[in-house]
Amino acid sequence: EAGVTQFPSHSVIEKGQTVTLRCDPISGHDNLYWYRRVMGKEIKFLLHFVKESKQDESGMPNNRFLAERTGGTYSTLKVQPAELEDSGVYFCASSQDRGQGARAEAFFGQGTRLTVV
Amino acid sequence: GENVEQHPSTLSVQEGDSAVIKCTYSDSASNYFPWYKQELGKRPQLIIDIRSNVGEKKDQRIAVTLNKTAKHFSLHITETQPEDSAVYFCAAPRRATGRRALTFGSGTRLQVQP
Repeated sequence: EAGVTQFPSHSVIEKGQTVTLRCDPISGHDNLYWYRRVMGKEIKFLLHFVKESKQDESGMPNNRFLAERTGGTYSTLKVQPAELEDSGVYFCASSQDRGQGARAEAFFGQGTRLTVV
Repeated sequence: GENVEQHPSTLSVQEGDSAVIKCTYSDSASNYFPWYKQELGKRPQLIIDIRSNVGEKKDQRIAVTLNKTAKHFSLHITETQPEDSAVYFCAAPRRATGRRALTFGSGTRLQVQP
């Protein structure tokens, strides 16, 4: 079974440019999450999709970040325009939905390392 | 969740020694506490988790303990080996996401010296 895949693995862009990150979750996983790790700090929550709906986007830093999950399959995270402080590793994760009170492991992708110069 | 504090930020031990990493959380309704290991350049991977209805769980050389009253949980690694060197993250559920997404601690960089 394929794991969570993300592309690109690395991206270097200039301040003011636009970058789009993509995440393909494990097939059948309704829950999809975006996280970000800035140099040496915690893995910080950005947002959570259940199928195509945003369950919680309270972690999105500002309106320069836009996430979509059309059709409830893969997801994209667009940063426009990028700023220096957006640099970091962006992780996507997915999990099954086992219903009320049940817990399903979140599987992470390998991350996209974004460098804004 | 919602706040998760993790200590220490770095930990260096000799091969064969034990390592302990501690986390505290603020949401008394939290009921699931996973630990993730991230090796250099790789993705975070779940190594062990504990639910709030038990106080301790073991899996070979790793164990996790939970004190719900004090709202803290700990990761214990015994007989450490060089391949245990990695960054370890504790986590707790985020209430707003139906407790599916996670709030992570700041991470502990464990270095096992051969």
